[in-house]
Amino acid sequence: QSVLTQPPSVSGAPGQRVTISCTGSSSNIGTSSDVHWYQQLPGTAPKLLIYGNSNRPSGVPDRFSASKSGTSASLAITGLQAEDEADYYCQSYDNSLGVSYVFGTGTKVSVL
Amino acid sequence: QVQLVQSGAEVKNPGASVTISCKASGYTFIDYYIHWVRQAPGQGLEWMGIINSRGGGTDYPQKFQGRVIVTRDTSTSTVYMDLSSLTSEDTAMYYCARSRYRTSDYLDYWGQGTLVTVSS
Repeated sequence: QSVLTQPPSVSGAPGQRVTISCTGSSSNIGTSSDVHWYQQLPGTAPKLLIYGNSNRPSGVPDRFSASKSGTSASLAITGLQAEDEADYYCQSYDNSLGVSYVFGTGTKVSVL
Repeated sequence: QVQLVQSGAEVKNPGASVTISCKASGYTFIDYYIHWVRQAPGQGLEWMGIINSRGGGTDYPQKFQGRVIVTRDTSTSTVYMDLSSLTSEDTAMYYCARSRYRTSDYLDYWGQGTLVTVSS
């Protein structure tokens, strides 16, 4: 089971801003471990969206932004577009049990 | 361009084993680690393990220790994931993905996924 908690769903109208939270603990996000975000469009493999807490890979629109604070992180999508309808996952590293990559529970973003 | 191309879908009986391959191209294979991540139908992502493409060392979460074996063939830039003692709960899409470092890193390229169905 996932150790990072996300809301199951968020929704917004086109052009609006939505945020997704990712809550962890002192053994993962609360350490020096970075948080990364992935977008999974229906029927496709996950795609890296944000790395190192707030960095966008080449080609990712600046409508996507993210931050980390304490044991939580958040992803924001501004100017929501129909093509943003997808599942979003946060990911970090947990140092409590050897090498351990952990994912969030996932959030479905719906564009109304 | 970086590509991770996985083998095709598999249908297995309970108790059997499955081997999935992940062929890398477009980068220096031994400079990156390869992970395996699975996703049950309608569920989230679950990390299954990592291999050092250079030295072959592996790490698995406790849940999969003893049931998952990941190997690599540097001559063909291919990584293999063996999962044994299959049950219906192993029905899932399996992805390979790469990272630059062993710990605390991100997965920047993913394979297209391999669907494994376990059914009698």
